Amino acid sequence: EAQVTQNPRYLITVTGKKLTVTCSQNMNHEYMSWYRQDPGLGLRQIYYSMNVEVTDKGDVPEGYKVSRKEKRNFPLILESPSPNQTSLYFCASSPRTSGGGSYNEQFFGPGTRLTVL
Amino acid sequence: QQPVQSPQAVILREGEDAVINCSSSKALYSVHWYRQKHGEAPVFLMILLKGGEQKGHEKISASFNEKKQQSSLYLTASQLSYSGTYFCGTDKKGYSTLTFGKGTMLLVSP
Repeated sequence: EAQVTQNPRYLITVTGKKLTVTCSQNMNHEYMSWYRQDPGLGLRQIYYSMNVEVTDKGDVPEGYKVSRKEKRNFPLILESPSPNQTSLYFCASSPRTSGGGSYNEQFFGPGTRLTVL
Repeated sequence: QQPVQSPQAVILREGEDAVINCSSSKALYSVHWYRQKHGEAPVFLMILLKGGEQKGHEKISASFNEKKQQSSLYLTASQLSYSGTYFCGTDKKGYSTLTFGKGTMLLVSP
């Protein structure tokens, strides 16, 4: 089944304890993104990747790191989490269009609900 | 800068129609529309591309005014299953770097 998976689905942690949220897709998509969703603010893009070893900042990158060493995986790293990073996180992927960009739908993972105490 | 969606919320009776608008201050390559039900991931509805091409579900219709950088999603003969929050996402670079609006909550009642 074509899908985007995220782990863990729920996480409660404490301020300053490094954590990683994994994201994996089995559709051979070039493009992958991380979003956070907060009440009343919609989805905001944290980082995106256009291919292996190619990543760039989205609208709210502060406090986050990403890496793209393999095409299927795009982990989100919080080196020193703070309470303002408590949020619902979504990973998404989409295929590249023949012209080089991506004018295709994004496939979202199920989400990771993170609470930082 | 996030696109502006209107209205913020809509309540409909089954069978009624609704229009959700999305407006951006930037030139766009494409506009995406997604629906999200409570506790679930967003689900793709439609993409409208610069130049007039559209990709999406047959039962969904939408428009994209490139000059005004505005898009509208048309929900006709609404069903209970249409309930959820609708998000537009605007793509300025053509690389799926989407900036989403804050969402429009739609509730369809029997």
